[in-house]
Amino acid sequence: AAGVIQSPRHLIKEKRETATLKCYPIPRHDTVYWYQQGPGQDPQFLISFYEKMQSDKGSIPDRFSAQQFSDYHSELNMSSLELGDSALYFCASSSGQRGLQANVLTFGAGSRLTVL
Amino acid sequence: GNSVTQMEGPVTLSEEAFLTINCTYTATGYPSLFWYVQYPGEGLQLLLKATKADDKGSNKGFEATYRKETTSFHLEKGSVQVSDSAVYFCALPLRYGGSQGNLIFGKGTKLSVKP
Repeated sequence: AAGVIQSPRHLIKEKRETATLKCYPIPRHDTVYWYQQGPGQDPQFLISFYEKMQSDKGSIPDRFSAQQFSDYHSELNMSSLELGDSALYFCASSSGQRGLQANVLTFGAGSRLTVL
Repeated sequence: GNSVTQMEGPVTLSEEAFLTINCTYTATGYPSLFWYVQYPGEGLQLLLKATKADDKGSNKGFEATYRKETTSFHLEKGSVQVSDSAVYFCALPLRYGGSQGNLIFGKGTKLSVKP
């Protein structure tokens, strides 16, 4: 079965550079979530989209932005990168915003960003 | 918003030992509760869930019961295997009335099972 696809899997950037992460949800999933997991930390919710509109916002820095496109894939854009942005970034998808199925997230394998 | 407190590890057990990982939560209403597992180098996978009080979620020999009286959702397994070595996260929705998929996670418990 198709899973959540994230790219790139690994990314190395310098401080103050920009990075873009991509996420392709499971087919027919209309909701995408982004999480950030620092080394040895629990995942922190960043932002989510439902039907191409931002649906909720967590601890996402102002330097980060994201959007969901017409084909439901999503991109997380990170500018003015800092050393502390080094983390594993997970995308997850689900079907709908309400109801039991909305609770069931399928996570991608993550994109590991290293900022030097 | 909601919050979750999870027993921190690491936890090291011998194969076939009994496992308990404690999880308690604070929440408005009665949210769904989850356990996710993260194997080394991989993303999170849903292990089990419970959507209402007294529900028992179960999968791969793991169980957890939604206890509203004690606001707990402890994870248990009667006989662990080496392949169960992973990090386990308790989770629930970030806030009442928000998107049900926006989760807050516990700090994670790293389980190592020795042969």
